Amino acid sequence: AQSVTQLGSHVSVSEGALVLLRCNYSSSVPPYLFWYVQYPNQGLQLLLKYTSAATLVKGINGFEAEFKKSETSFHLTKPSAHMSDAAEYFCAVSEGHGGYQKVTFGTGTKLQVIP
Amino acid sequence: GAVVSQHPSRVICKSGTSVKIECRSLDFQATTMFWYRQFPKQSLMLMATSNEGSKATYEQGVEKDKFLINHASLTLSTLTVTSAHPEDSSFYICSARDSGGPTQYFGPGTRLLVL
Repeated sequence: AQSVTQLGSHVSVSEGALVLLRCNYSSSVPPYLFWYVQYPNQGLQLLLKYTSAATLVKGINGFEAEFKKSETSFHLTKPSAHMSDAAEYFCAVSEGHGGYQKVTFGTGTKLQVIP
Repeated sequence: GAVVSQHPSRVICKSGTSVKIECRSLDFQATTMFWYRQFPKQSLMLMATSNEGSKATYEQGVEKDKFLINHASLTLSTLTVTSAHPEDSSFYICSARDSGGPTQYFGPGTRLLVL
């Protein structure tokens, strides 16, 4: 069964500092991995996804994530935090594609950006 | 591209009434749609998966007679909360996926408050 663990339910960074949100996954087959962002009272917006192509994935708003199979990790990073990055971030894993395919979400990490 | 809308964005109803929430994929055909429920400060809980033209598959513990899902076309799915009670108050989010890959695109969510 697939699962996702996000380390740290809350992360605080200063504006301009590096953002690092951690995600580890468990999957019995090569996974698809996603990062989504959720602003208050809104749905989820796809930041980036890994679908077995390049291991370093670049997404929107300057975010990127690196798939490391040996570490079963897919950490999200951004070199310089902006106030508008304050939101909740969800890592998700999906096995295979097509048919009845479920996505499993992590518990989320709330990012606070301090001015 | 890949825009998903939900209507209404917010609804307040009396206990015992039924509420219908619509989820539409605006610029792609959604072969599969998902309905999630999100409690405050928690991750998303998958309620059910629906494929166009077939019955929805409900997750364990989700009452299918209470949460009626219809996926009548490739661009529209509806969730009807029947005989709503205060404990049904929550944030309901839909997502849609086309046949081309594993990525789910999320709607903006519907806040339901049952008085």
